[in-house]
Amino acid sequence: SYELTQPPSVSVSPGQTASITCSGDKLGDRYACWYQQKPGQSPVLVIYEDNKRPSGIPERFSGSNSGNTATLTISGTQTMDEADYYCQAWDSDTWVFGGGTKLTVL
Amino acid sequence: QVQLVQSGAEVKKPGASVRVSCKASGYTFTSYDINWVRQATGQGLEWMGWMNPNSGKTVYAQKFQGRVTMTRNTSITTAYMELSSLRSDDTATYYCARDGSFVFDYWGQGSLVIVSS
Repeated sequence: SYELTQPPSVSVSPGQTASITCSGDKLGDRYACWYQQKPGQSPVLVIYEDNKRPSGIPERFSGSNSGNTATLTISGTQTMDEADYYCQAWDSDTWVFGGGTKLTVL
Repeated sequence: QVQLVQSGAEVKKPGASVRVSCKASGYTFTSYDINWVRQATGQGLEWMGWMNPNSGKTVYAQKFQGRVTMTRNTSITTAYMELSSLRSDDTATYYCARDGSFVFDYWGQGSLVIVSS
């Protein structure tokens, strides 16, 4: 079965750029999505189709996907961006989530 | 506005079954697939399966095949997820999510299921 691998944690200072990776076999050949989840809340879509932002998501969130790696980039990270982030991809009629990355802003 | 409102928390004994509901509003229920995702406390998201509310077609994650059943009642725009033969490691928050063209664009608030003797 298809697998997506994320680093368990990433730390960033406020105002700096955070990058969260998601690796999978030939991931660049399929679309990747990213979700943000804060404690006690449902996940929220922040990036879809590799690099598109839903309405209401700040411009500081961006995405890319090439080769075996998709990347979520948060420019000018704010304390409110501290959360868990999950990548997601479609594979053979099923959905796959990465294990999640805890982003700490300190 | 699009809303997915789920049923409340449940406490079940091992071996029992649980059914979680997901009431959709604000859009045409039969036009978008419904997915179910679960999350154990402190753990990641785990996809369980999807259902097409128009046709009733379902696809389940291999891990849950034989134990999960996803259904719907189009007259009341509600999707259901039933999980049987519950074990303690099925204790989790269960979410429904709308598939807005290969993206989970709306999520329910989650339903906590506790499996305990």
